[in-house]
Amino acid sequence: SQKIEQNSEALNIQEGKTATLTCNYTNYSPAYLQWYRQDPGRGPVFLLLIRENEKEKRKERLKVTFDTTLKQSLFHITASQPADSATYLCALETGANNLFFGTGTRLTVIP
Amino acid sequence: GAVVSQHPSWVICKSGTSVKIECRSLDFQATTMFWYRQFPKQSLMLMATSNEGSKATYEQGVEKDKFLINHASLTLSTLTVTSAHPEDSSFYICSASGITNEQFFGPGTRLTVL
Repeated sequence: SQKIEQNSEALNIQEGKTATLTCNYTNYSPAYLQWYRQDPGRGPVFLLLIRENEKEKRKERLKVTFDTTLKQSLFHITASQPADSATYLCALETGANNLFFGTGTRLTVIP
Repeated sequence: GAVVSQHPSWVICKSGTSVKIECRSLDFQATTMFWYRQFPKQSLMLMATSNEGSKATYEQGVEKDKFLINHASLTLSTLTVTSAHPEDSSFYICSASGITNEQFFGPGTRLTVL
């Protein structure tokens, strides 16, 4: 069966450290993998997209890697801040332009 | 950037009544709109995809007669939950995509059925 799993439901880290979130998938062949941020009671906000032929993508303090052999993506937030506290969702996009979301990881950055 | 709005942001209704949720793309033409549902502590689940002027495509397990979707214009799609029951209580989120295929998400609508 198809699955998208994010490593942990919740992750607490100290301010200034690097947060690393994991997204693993099975029985999908995504063309793209995306990461979103979702705050409580709000819709997802797009952060980064990485294509199947890309290994790594960066945007300011964010870095995403994509390993299609391991079927895994890692999402890093460097120099984390309390304002980074939110739920982070990975989403796979198949060729049909449909997005399939993981269960999310709730990140809390402790001052 | 592209903005998508939803109305209402929250709604409470009695069991057996119907509720309509609107999704609007404010500054672009949305050829495709998507409707998702999110239960507490769960991820977004795609309910249906609609293209302007044509019938929506529903995901497996989603009742098309219960969740009526209309995409009559390039800036508006509506989701009507008919004969709502408490188990339909959820967070409903729409997204819209235009020529770039990128999906822009609305802020969501919290539905509570008493």
